[in-house]
Amino acid sequence: DTAVSQTPKYLVTQMGNDKSIKCEQNLGHDTMYWYKQDSKKFLKIMFSYNNKELIINETVPNRFSPKSPDKAHLNLHINSLELGDSAVYFCASSQHPGPTPNSPLHFGNGTRLTVT
Amino acid sequence: GENVEQHPSTLSVQEGDSAVIKCTYSDSASNYFPWYKQELGKGPQLIIDIRSNVGEKKDQRIAVTLNKTAKHFSLHITETQPEDSAVYFCAALNQAGTALIFGKGTTLSVSS
Repeated sequence: DTAVSQTPKYLVTQMGNDKSIKCEQNLGHDTMYWYKQDSKKFLKIMFSYNNKELIINETVPNRFSPKSPDKAHLNLHINSLELGDSAVYFCASSQHPGPTPNSPLHFGNGTRLTVT
Repeated sequence: GENVEQHPSTLSVQEGDSAVIKCTYSDSASNYFPWYKQELGKGPQLIIDIRSNVGEKKDQRIAVTLNKTAKHFSLHITETQPEDSAVYFCAALNQAGTALIFGKGTTLSVSS
């Protein structure tokens, strides 16, 4: 009954590889997000989608490409992985774009990506 | 865009003491301020939030206060317990109101 689920939980790969992280939410929310948490625990917004449409694309290298096949899923594909991509990536969702008290932001448990 | 500053970065207290974490924000139009708790190996979880038309909100041992004029808000935890040990994040909406911008987090350690 997990609300926001991400797979895999851990991902270890070599520089130059391409990898994907999958996210699914069963809350019936319209909006999904990807956040990156670096080694200092800083949480930074990367992307958000509302009903399969991209609404936020922060200054993220174009090696990162989000894909939303439907409003319950938001996957993150990363090409040509670099050492600096090592981080924990969190998927999140809210009912509408921009969390509110009636529609707070719900996070998944993260995917720890390690690039060697 | 919105900028959220959070202090302190680490906080150690004895069980039973109170803990206070403070945040400031830059966009005077911001109207929603949640606090999240992140335990080891898990995603952040909402613990309390406040709208800009409210000055204070309480939920058992936790409370949040907001000073709109000064653009700062604080989290207060009373009677701390070891299970309160975690990283706490404050947040505010970005300028477009479409995503949360987070502070840099406070690692709270409660020793028994």
